[in-house]
Amino acid sequence: EDQVTQSPEALRLQEGESSSLNCSYTVSGLRGLFWYRQDPGKGPEFLFTLYSAGEEKEKERLKATLTKKESFLHITAPKPEDSATYLCAVQSSNTGKLIFGQGTTLQVKP
Amino acid sequence: DAGVIQSPRHEVTEMGQEVTLRCKPISGHNSLFWYRQTMMRGLELLIYFNNNVPIDDSGMPEDRFSAKMPNASFSTLKIQPSEPRDSAVYFCASSLGGLGTFGSGTRLTVV
Repeated sequence: EDQVTQSPEALRLQEGESSSLNCSYTVSGLRGLFWYRQDPGKGPEFLFTLYSAGEEKEKERLKATLTKKESFLHITAPKPEDSATYLCAVQSSNTGKLIFGQGTTLQVKP
Repeated sequence: DAGVIQSPRHEVTEMGQEVTLRCKPISGHNSLFWYRQTMMRGLELLIYFNNNVPIDDSGMPEDRFSAKMPNASFSTLKIQPSEPRDSAVYFCASSLGGLGTFGSGTRLTVV
């Protein structure tokens, strides 16, 4: 069964304190792995797509990496405006469906 | 571009009532997705359309749920009759061959 598990569920960081979010997955053929950011009261906003193990993508303080079993979203020197829920999703090449994880809620305190 | 527009933003209804959620996709997008988000189950795909045709509705939980896309600029998700367990945030997303841009969602509360 295709499945995505994110950890931790919640993360509190001080401003400037770097950390990583984990996304473990099992999927019958990976078409792509996606990271989204979701702010309260809003829909998910696309951040990155990763297609193959070893691939990395960066955007400002965020860097996403991918292995055959998991992905990490590294946050370097976070700021309070990085506070949000980060969602990971995988797309099965068999079904084409997006399967989302439960998300990690990040709070960055000044 | 105004993005994906959903209405209403909030809906409170009594159990047994019919509920209709509306979505206006981004102009030019040819795929439309309906998702449901709850604390327990996270974000789940309910149904998606391509060129106004329903392609996969396997995520629709029960016959009480139905979705239509009468034209390229409008879609509805209807729940009849509604139940308290239907309480969730319902998102619509549209895309042109990609993953999709999400709307801001409709928060549905069934009491």
